[in-house]
This record gives sequence, structure tokens and C-alpha cells, in this order.
Amino acid sequence: GAGVSQSPSNKVTEKGKDVELRCDPISGHTALYWYRQSLGQGLEFLIYFQGNSAPDKSGLPSDRFSAERTGGSVSTLTIQRTQQEDSAVYLCASSQSGNTQYFGPGTRLTVL
Amino acid sequence: GQQLNQSPQSMFIQEGEDVSMNCTSSSIFNTWLWYKQEPGEGPVLLIALYKAGELTSNGRLTAQFGITRKDSFLNISASIPSDVGIYFCAGQRFSGGGADGLTFGKGTHLIIQP
Repeated sequence: GAGVSQSPSNKVTEKGKDVELRCDPISGHTALYWYRQSLGQGLEFLIYFQGNSAPDKSGLPSDRFSAERTGGSVSTLTIQRTQQEDSAVYLCASSQSGNTQYFGPGTRLTVL
Repeated sequence: GQQLNQSPQSMFIQEGEDVSMNCTSSSIFNTWLWYKQEPGEGPVLLIALYKAGELTSNGRLTAQFGITRKDSFLNISASIPSDVGIYFCAGQRFSGGGADGLTFGKGTHLIIQP
């Protein structure tokens, strides 16, 4: 079946603009996770959804970052007033009730 | 945020050599995972470890979950060119709401010299 998909694959934006990143999880997966990967670094956990609720938002780096999930499926990560330090690859993963997390290909965000 | 201590950062080896990498943590995890990431792609799960002391193999890959639940190693035997990539360890905890987000190491970059 189809894996996790993310869009766009690449996004270049100007400092101060808002961006929206989209994640389509594997069908039927109840848990959805967002991570950020900066150049040469491991993945940093941002937020986790179980269904439409977010039990753990502890990883969001600032209040400019928010995420929502509707219908227990698609999720959107929004970054407001982007800064250059927001440049990274944003990865989404989904899992079936806490089992193995399957990752999407990521969105590479570049803030000029 | 918290990260696992993964070493080595990079490895330059000859094709056919064995590879060993490890991760340590100051805190306990319920599950240890090893992922491989290739350029432009998301990480792909190689091996998952669920029990302290567990030793698990997947083809030429072998991984062990430390008895203290604070460390793990991954071995690759008889390396081949397609093993090139970045290998990440990750730890996972389970809370009342389900599985928490993964905590990752910084990765081991495996380079195979011709």
C-alpha cells in the first residue's frame, strides 16, 4: 500500500513569511508524528497526534510552530513568521497505535 | 532536546569489512530502534528491539538491546556498497497516551571505499 506522503517536497520562503507543510499518513494509522532534521543532525521530535488530539506538544521549539490534524488523517504543520534557523527537513511519521513508525520523505524548508 | 550518544560519527571502511556502531543514553527506553537514511529520503526501520538483553538479526544486520535498557549496538557483517548511508539509533517510551515521539542519536555516516 501507499506509504507516508508529504508535500511540498521542497519549500523556499522569505524570512517572516508563514509556511504550511502537509503530511498524509498511511491509511488506518492512528498515530502521527512530526520531526525536524537540521543539517548533519539527528531527528528532533516536535509533536505527536493520537487521532486528532495532540497528547505531546513538548517538542515544538516556539509558539510560531503549530500543528493540527483533522479527521484522524491529514496533518498540517504551520510555521509563522519563519526565521532562518527554521531551515531544516521536516519529517512526518505514522504508526498503528504506537507500533513501528514509518517515515515520509520529508519537506526541505529553506528560509532566505 | 535530549539526544542519544551515538558513535562513531562516521566510518570509512572497505567493502567486505564488518561494521559496529553503538548508542548510549542516561535514561531508560522501552524500545530501541535502528534506522537507515539515504539522501532525500526519510529513515527506514532496520531493526526494532523490545526486551532488555534481546539480540535480533535481520540478514547481515545484528542489533542488541542492552540489559540496562540504556544502550544498544548495531553490527553489519560483510559490508556491501548499498550499505552506504546514515544509520540512526532511536529510543522510544510508552506513556498513558501511547508511544511517545522517538529520541534519536545524531547518526553514524557509513562510507564504503572502493
